[in-house]
Amino acid sequence: KAGVTQTPRYLIKTRGQQVTLSCSPISGHRSVSWYQQTPGQGLQFLFEYFSETQRNKGNFPGRFSGRQFSNSRSEMNVSTLELGDSALYLCASSPNPPGQGSNQPQHFGDGTRLSIL
Amino acid sequence: AQSVTQPDIHITVSEGASLELRCNYSYGATPYLFWYVQSPGQGLQLLLKYLSGDTLVQGIKGFEAEFKRSQSSFNLRKPSVHWSDAAEYFCAVGAGNQFYFGTGTSLTVIP
Repeated sequence: KAGVTQTPRYLIKTRGQQVTLSCSPISGHRSVSWYQQTPGQGLQFLFEYFSETQRNKGNFPGRFSGRQFSNSRSEMNVSTLELGDSALYLCASSPNPPGQGSNQPQHFGDGTRLSIL
Repeated sequence: AQSVTQPDIHITVSEGASLELRCNYSYGATPYLFWYVQSPGQGLQLLLKYLSGDTLVQGIKGFEAEFKRSQSSFNLRKPSVHWSDAAEYFCAVGAGNQFYFGTGTSLTVIP
């Protein structure tokens, strides 16, 4: 069974630009969560999608958005990029959303490394 | 509010020595507990999980963890560390409708 796939692996952007990251969950997994990982802040929860609906959202500005498609693939978008957005963005999938089974571990992709110049 | 604390930012051990990584959580009920490991440039890999029942759980790569309700702890242990265990370790809590992660412990293994 293929794992969680994130594309691209690396991105370099400049301030003010926007970016779209993609995540394909494990087959059969319907919940996709996104995290931002930085050396200073650790893993910060961005949002979680299930059946094309955002069910939970972390404390990030509106520049960060996402969506989920009918095949459970998910994208996240960051607009008006800032230097502080440089981070590793991780996607995780699970069969059900945390609220209906936070006993189910999340399976992570290898992340997209975003660098803002 | 739920929270996870990993008090040790960085730990160095000699190869072959035993290891214990600490994790404390704050949650009103019994949470679901997990340990993940992250190697450089990669995502997080699940090591083990505690859902209920036996408070000593076994994981992959020879790791184990013990849930102690009275101490709100879920410490990770390994009796003999290998050089390949050098990585970042994260404790996580599944509570309510979200996962909460600790800030991680970086493990260095010296020959």
